[in-house]
Amino acid sequence: DVVMAQSPLSLPVTLGQPASISCRSSQSLVHSDGNTYLNWFRQRPGQSPRRLISKLSNRDSGVPDRFSGSGSGTDFTLKISRVEAEDVGVYYCMQGTHWPYTFGQGTKLEIK
Amino acid sequence: QVQLQESGPGLVKPSETLSLTCTVSGASITSHYWSWIRQPPGKGLEWIGYIYYTGITNYNPSLKSRVSISVDTSRNQFSMKLSSVTAADTAVYYCARGAPSGDTWGQGTLVTVSS
Repeated sequence: DVVMAQSPLSLPVTLGQPASISCRSSQSLVHSDGNTYLNWFRQRPGQSPRRLISKLSNRDSGVPDRFSGSGSGTDFTLKISRVEAEDVGVYYCMQGTHWPYTFGQGTKLEIK
Repeated sequence: QVQLQESGPGLVKPSETLSLTCTVSGASITSHYWSWIRQPPGKGLEWIGYIYYTGITNYNPSLKSRVSISVDTSRNQFSMKLSSVTAADTAVYYCARGAPSGDTWGQGTLVTVSS
């Protein structure tokens, strides 16, 4: 299975400051169709995960533009330009290129 | 607005079969792939498998011998069965639209395996 390694696992951030989460995969996530199936999800306490970013950098409807996804090959990043209180939760990267699809361990973002 | 709702027993005995159904509203089940994903308490996420309305399925090799996913187009539902369960199968089970997109998830249902 493709191993997805996130860092940091805990991310305390001051309101209004930027935040960045790294995700590294054990194999390239470039699919034979040319797409990179790397998604980002956020899970708030007591809720189901919500997809924020699909295929590396495509923001889902309703996701603020302060969220951005980037990267290539095996190295990926989720950036939040200015953290707001509603951003608290656990963030997961997930690869959908190789079966079985796999998730990172999660990064818990909290407000300092 | 697409909504997914899981249903099924919240308690299953060891060695028995766990059965869950996902009811889809706001979208036709013939228009996407549909997935099951689980999350043990306090732990990470595991993609169990997915199905297309034609019956094409793909299962996580870690569960392949015990899991089956089916679809009922007349009811706009899809279901999952996991046999020979143990305490390690205790988890919140989510149904979701898409594979690998996962663009919409149900609220999840906690299934506890215990005698």
